Amino acid sequence: AQTVTQSQPEMSVQEAETVTLSCTYDTSESDYYLFWYKQPPSRQMILVIRQEAYKQQNATENRFSVNFQKAAKSFSLKISDSQLGDAAMYFCAYRGSGTYKYIFGTGTRLKVLA
Amino acid sequence: DGGITQSPKYLFRKEGQNVTLSCEQNLNHDAMYWYRQDPGQGLRLIYYSQIVNDFQKGDIAEGYSVSREKKESFPLTVTSAQKNPTAFYLCASSTVGREKLFFGSGTQLSVL
Repeated sequence: AQTVTQSQPEMSVQEAETVTLSCTYDTSESDYYLFWYKQPPSRQMILVIRQEAYKQQNATENRFSVNFQKAAKSFSLKISDSQLGDAAMYFCAYRGSGTYKYIFGTGTRLKVLA
Repeated sequence: DGGITQSPKYLFRKEGQNVTLSCEQNLNHDAMYWYRQDPGQGLRLIYYSQIVNDFQKGDIAEGYSVSREKKESFPLTVTSAQKNPTAFYLCASSTVGREKLFFGSGTQLSVL
């Protein structure tokens, strides 16, 4: 069975600095999707970034980028120029290409210090 | 605007009572999901449905039931067999060609 592991329960970053959140996953599939979702205090889940496993190029969305290491089964999220509004829970998620099932990690709480 | 509507926002359950959480989507998505979130924890899959009149158990289906009679609707019933129902419940949907989950705003269920 596929699993998603986020080993950092909590992280802190100074405003305007860069922070990296870690995620590892376990799968025997070769084709899949990986996601980072943000959950602010409102508890609304927001998609931050998505990566298709068949694409070697790392996905980027403005200040957010990923470091996708397929062989290592690692999918970290880098947030540049951190802002107070980035403070939230961040969840890593996996979905195999042949299934509708999405699997989530336990999350990392990010605090942004002014 | 298209989206997912969950109701109610807050729900209270008495001992031995069944309660039903509503989830409606107008995105024309094929698949719908229910996740449970406990404080400080990740999302755990309760049930999901890929098509009308079909659904699969997730990792924590015991004490819950669902139905999928219409494409737009996927209600979740928390039965009296669920002994620890207090949690935040999230409904989501997705479709082929849009490989991501769209989420509702959630229902907080508490026990009186």
